[in-house]
Amino acid sequence: DAGVIQSPRHEVTEMGQEVTLRCKPISGHDYLFWYRQTMMRGLELLIYFNNNVPIDDSGMPEDRFSAKMPNASFSTLKIQPSEPRDSAVYFCASSLARRTSYNEQFFGPGTRLTVL
Amino acid sequence: AQSVTQLDSQVPVFEEAPVELRCNYSSSVSVYLFWYVQYPNQGLQLLLKYLSGSTLVKGINGFEAEFNKSQTSFHLRKPSVHISDTAEYFCAVRGTGGFKTIFGAGTRLFVKA
Repeated sequence: DAGVIQSPRHEVTEMGQEVTLRCKPISGHDYLFWYRQTMMRGLELLIYFNNNVPIDDSGMPEDRFSAKMPNASFSTLKIQPSEPRDSAVYFCASSLARRTSYNEQFFGPGTRLTVL
Repeated sequence: AQSVTQLDSQVPVFEEAPVELRCNYSSSVSVYLFWYVQYPNQGLQLLLKYLSGSTLVKGINGFEAEFNKSQTSFHLRKPSVHISDTAEYFCAVRGTGGFKTIFGAGTRLFVKA
């Protein structure tokens, strides 16, 4: 299994530009999570999906952030317009719901975003 | 709601020495507890988990953790560390009825030769 795949691994952009981060979860997993990691705030859950439907987006910082999951094998996190304070490492994770046991989250390698 | 406090931001230790990384949590409901490890430029990897049963749980790479309900703690230990254990370690908590995992701020373990 290839694990969770994220692209790009690194993104450098200028303030005001649109940024799109991509994630391919592990095949068969039905939960997908987007996290943001910064030195100041640590690891924060932004949003998570179940069967492609957003369940909890309370962690999305503001309207400039949006996430979609058009199908079970692909999700995007978009920032428009981007700002320097959005600079962080963004992680995607996926898990498989099991009725009777814990659902481990598998993390991707992350996308390091730098907004100049 | 749950919260997690990792009491040490950095822990330097010599190779082959024992180490303990401390974690306290708070929750009004039953929880699952986890430790994740993050090596440089990589994603998080599950080290071990407590779901129920025995309060001493063993994980990968020789790590173990003990769940103490009365002290609401879940400290991570290893009797003898290696250089390769240098990484950031995250304690995390999740309510047993939900999917939202709350992570601590992380503890950077630095193993010196």
